Amino acid sequence: DAGVIQSPRHEVTEMGQEVTLRCKPISGHNSLFWYRQTMMRGLELLIYFNNNVPIDDSGMPEDRFSAKMPNASFSTLKIQPSEPRDSAVYFCASSLQGWAYNEQFFGPGTRLTVL
Amino acid sequence: SQQGEEDPQALSIQEGENATMNCSYKTSINNLQWYRQNSGRGLVHLILIRSNEREKHSGRLRVTLDTSKKSSSLLITASRAADTASYFCATDGDSNDYKLSFGAGTTVTVRA
Repeated sequence: DAGVIQSPRHEVTEMGQEVTLRCKPISGHNSLFWYRQTMMRGLELLIYFNNNVPIDDSGMPEDRFSAKMPNASFSTLKIQPSEPRDSAVYFCASSLQGWAYNEQFFGPGTRLTVL
Repeated sequence: SQQGEEDPQALSIQEGENATMNCSYKTSINNLQWYRQNSGRGLVHLILIRSNEREKHSGRLRVTLDTSKKSSSLLITASRAADTASYFCATDGDSNDYKLSFGAGTTVTVRA
């Protein structure tokens, strides 16, 4: 298995531009998580899907952020318009949820720089 | 918000020595997990310990859990240069929503 795939790996954009981050979870996994990692705030959960349905988006910073999961093999995180404070590494993770385990498998991340 | 807090924030040891880091959390949990993150990479799951377990081993890793103190420790024995990484504990809370809360991490540097 290729693991969780994220694209792009690096993104540099200017303030005000729209940014779309993409994630392909591990085949067969039923949960998908978007995280943001910064030095100041550590690893923050932004949103979590289960069976393609958003379950908890309480971590989404504001309306500029939106996430979709149109099918079990693809998810996007969109920032529109982007701001310099959105600069961070964004991780996607997937897992096969069950009562006894919820190990998450992380992608390599997208390093976003907003100028 | 971060449920788990690791201690120390950073640790520097000589190759071959043991490394111990601790995690404290605030609410009841179903299980606690430890992850490793190498520089520039995503997190990798190391070990999961359930709330009814007190100790677990995986290779050179030993994890303990004390639910009465709401704390866990990760011991890496006979450290190697490849163990240089940040280590995070993650807790799931006592709900069934499968979310994990990660601590700020302990950065471990193993000197050759």
